[in-house]
This record gives sequence, C-alpha cells and structure tokens, in this order.
Amino acid sequence: GAGVSQSPRYKVAKRGQDVALRCDPISGHVSLFWYQQALGQGPEFLTYFQNEAQLDKSGLPSDRFFAERPEGSVSTLKIQRTQQEDSAVYLCASSPGTDQETQYFGPGTRLLVL
Amino acid sequence: AQTVTQSQPEMSVQEAETVTLSCTYDTSESDYYLFWYKQPPSRQMILVIRQEAYKQQNATENRFSVNFQKAAKSFSLKISDSQLGDAAMYFCALYNFNKFYFGSGTKLNVKP
Repeated sequence: GAGVSQSPRYKVAKRGQDVALRCDPISGHVSLFWYQQALGQGPEFLTYFQNEAQLDKSGLPSDRFFAERPEGSVSTLKIQRTQQEDSAVYLCASSPGTDQETQYFGPGTRLLVL
Repeated sequence: AQTVTQSQPEMSVQEAETVTLSCTYDTSESDYYLFWYKQPPSRQMILVIRQEAYKQQNATENRFSVNFQKAAKSFSLKISDSQLGDAAMYFCALYNFNKFYFGSGTKLNVKP
C-alpha cells in the first residue's frame, strides 16, 4: 500500500525566496505531523494537525513558517523569505488518529537555501 | 522539559555480533512511550521497537530488544546477530503530549 509521500524530494532556494513543501499522508489518517531535521541531528517537532485543525504549532521557529491542511488530507508547509538556517530535511508523518504515537514517516524533503 | 540523550555518535559492530546502543531521557511525566527508529540514507524513518512506560516487561522484536530502566530513565537497544542491512542512523525518541522528542542519533556501522 502507499505510504506517506512528500514532494519535492529536493529543493534548492535562493535566500529570500518562498518555498512550499507538500505532504500526502496515508489515506484515511487523521493526524499529520511536520518535523525539521537539521544535518547531524534528530528530527524536531514543528506542528501537528488533527483533520484540518492545527492543534499545535509550538515548534514553528518563526512567523515565516506556515502550515495548512485545508481538507484534512494533503498538507503544505510554506516557508517565506527563506534563510540559510532553514536548510534542513523536512519530514512529514501521519497516524491513524486513535494512537498518535504510531506515526508513519515520509522520505522527507531536503531544502538547501543558498 | 522533555529531553533525549544519545551519547554515542557512532558505533561499529562485526556482522553476526551483538551491539547495544544507549539512550537516556528526562521527563516529569509518568505516562509516555519510548521508541527506537532507524533512518537509512534514504531518510525514511523506520520504527524498530516501542515500549510503553507503564509496562515493566522489556519489548522485543526478533533480533531487537530493549533494556528499559524507568527509574534510571534509560532505554538501550540491543541488536543481536547484526546484519549488513542494520547499518543506519538510529534515533531514540520519547513520545508524550502528541509529539516526539528525538535524540541526536547514533550511526551504526556493520563490518562484514
């Protein structure tokens, strides 16, 4: 069966550009999570959706980061006016909802800001 | 605050031997979950094993087992009969309040 997919897999952006990263969760999964993984580090929580509701965005590093999931399925993480420190792998994960600790991860999008 | 510490940046093991990866954590909660994830170069995080904090019995999954010491806040992963395919980054993670807290990872090398 299809797992979590993310696109693009790689993105190179010039400093100051806006980028949009897409996550397609497993069909029917209620919860969706975004993580940021800096080079040589473990993933860090960014934000969490239950259906279309963004229930926790405490991990978003600045107001340049914005995430949405308007129909409770596909999610987009948008970064405005990218900075070099935004360079990282952005991981998306989804869970069925009843046990949110069981999360299925996507392959991530590697963002490089020059 | 929730923190997870992996003090071994890199480990090596001979194929077919046993290796133990260390992890300590800190939380003031009594109800939480602990995980080990494997991340190969493809970057896909793969669940290796999970442990519910309320369970005293250590979790096992085939060649993978944990030593969970709740009082010491320690959660080590033992890999038996290591295989070349086990080579990857391994992350220890604590889950509560709807989010994961990951350690910085241990790179495992498997020598043929």
